[in-house]
Amino acid sequence: ETGVTQTPRHLVMGMTNKKSLKCEQHLGHNAMYWYKQSAKKPLELMFVYSLEERVENNSVPSRFSPECPNSSHLFLHLHTLQPEDSALYLCASSGTGNTEAFFGQGTRLTVV
Amino acid sequence: KQEVTQIPAALSVPEGENLVLNCSFTDSAIYNLQWFRQDPGKGLTSLLLIQSSQREQTSGRLNASLDKSSGRSTLYIAASQPGDSATYLCAVNTGTASKLTFGTGTRLQVTL
Repeated sequence: ETGVTQTPRHLVMGMTNKKSLKCEQHLGHNAMYWYKQSAKKPLELMFVYSLEERVENNSVPSRFSPECPNSSHLFLHLHTLQPEDSALYLCASSGTGNTEAFFGQGTRLTVV
Repeated sequence: KQEVTQIPAALSVPEGENLVLNCSFTDSAIYNLQWFRQDPGKGLTSLLLIQSSQREQTSGRLNASLDKSSGRSTLYIAASQPGDSATYLCAVNTGTASKLTFGTGTRLQVTL
């Protein structure tokens, strides 16, 4: 395994379900990020973890709950989502400071 | 608030042509700028990272320039190939972590 790996690649969930997205990085980085990519809109930064501490929460609704148990893993817990939350969710990692960010392949989420 | 604009939104060129993609940003106080490639339904692949103190970076047929004072960057692709067909995204980092602000991308099609 190399780089940044996200699972699952595709997820369909009902509005009352609870699910989690997983991200794992094998690059020795200590910062991890969640981004949301909706159709026709720029990628939006959702959460930033640096050294396993959340340092950014960009006004994201509480139905999205991140978790970073260690520097290699990042989760996004989802509950009672809305259809407008359907999007591609991308995880990224980087070193601390102004270093290059590397992205995973994303999870395509559909809320029905 | 930082805003990133990419022009054109879409571009179609014949194989072998050299081309330039443009990116502009409103706040020149950036740490770095990164160019990515995204294939349909996939994650982002990092192409080039330019630190704020640099003027350009090169990788193979790609050359990216940065004029921080005017808030502009260009990505030059030499001798385009059909395999270059993808969406190209520009992102600027204005934080101490890689908290990126993205443009909406340029969708490139290289035809035979």
